[in-house]
Amino acid sequence: AQTVTQSQPEMSVQEAETVTLSCTYDTSESNYYLFWYKQPPSRQMILVIRQEAYKQQNATENRFSVNFQKAAKSFSLKISDSQLGDTAMYFCAFMKRNTGGFKTIFGAGTRLFVKA
Amino acid sequence: DTGVSQNPRHKITKRGQNVTFRCDPISEHNRLYWYRQTLGQGPEFLTYFQNEAQLEKSRLLSDRFSAERPKGSFSTLEIQRTEQGDSAMYLCASSLWDPREGNTIYFGEGSWLTVV
Repeated sequence: AQTVTQSQPEMSVQEAETVTLSCTYDTSESNYYLFWYKQPPSRQMILVIRQEAYKQQNATENRFSVNFQKAAKSFSLKISDSQLGDTAMYFCAFMKRNTGGFKTIFGAGTRLFVKA
Repeated sequence: DTGVSQNPRHKITKRGQNVTFRCDPISEHNRLYWYRQTLGQGPEFLTYFQNEAQLEKSRLLSDRFSAERPKGSFSTLEIQRTEQGDSAMYLCASSLWDPREGNTIYFGEGSWLTVV
């Protein structure tokens, strides 16, 4: 069974600075997706970034980038130039990549506070 | 398309009553998921549909829970004889599986259930 672990329950960062959220996962699969989702206080989950395990290049989306270390089963999220609107819960998630892949497994989340 | 829509957004019910939640997925998506989320936790998978077929149910989904997707479009999640432990947010998500692009799920805003 796959598991996703986020070891930082809460983090804070000063506005405009950079912060890195950690995520590790456990799987015997070789082909899968990893995601970071953001859940602001309004509660709707929003996809931040997606990484395909077969791609060596780390995904980036504007101020958000990941450090994907497949051998170490690590998938951290870096937020550059943090903004007040980045305050949210962040969830790391895993999904197998095959025709039957359907179940996304989520970590427990990291609550990020961006301070003015 | 406005995304995944859920209603009602909030429901307070007395223990023992039945409740039903509705989810309208993104129109071209063939996969629909229900998750449950409690405060401070990541979403937990409940069940999944591909078109109108319910293909997987978590053991979290007791006999009091039933989900349907009769025409492969909207879905309903019914909880019978509600218990206080059912209090949570029920998240619906949808996705379009593509053999090249894979499968990224998009969430609705959730339906909050409080059982008193």
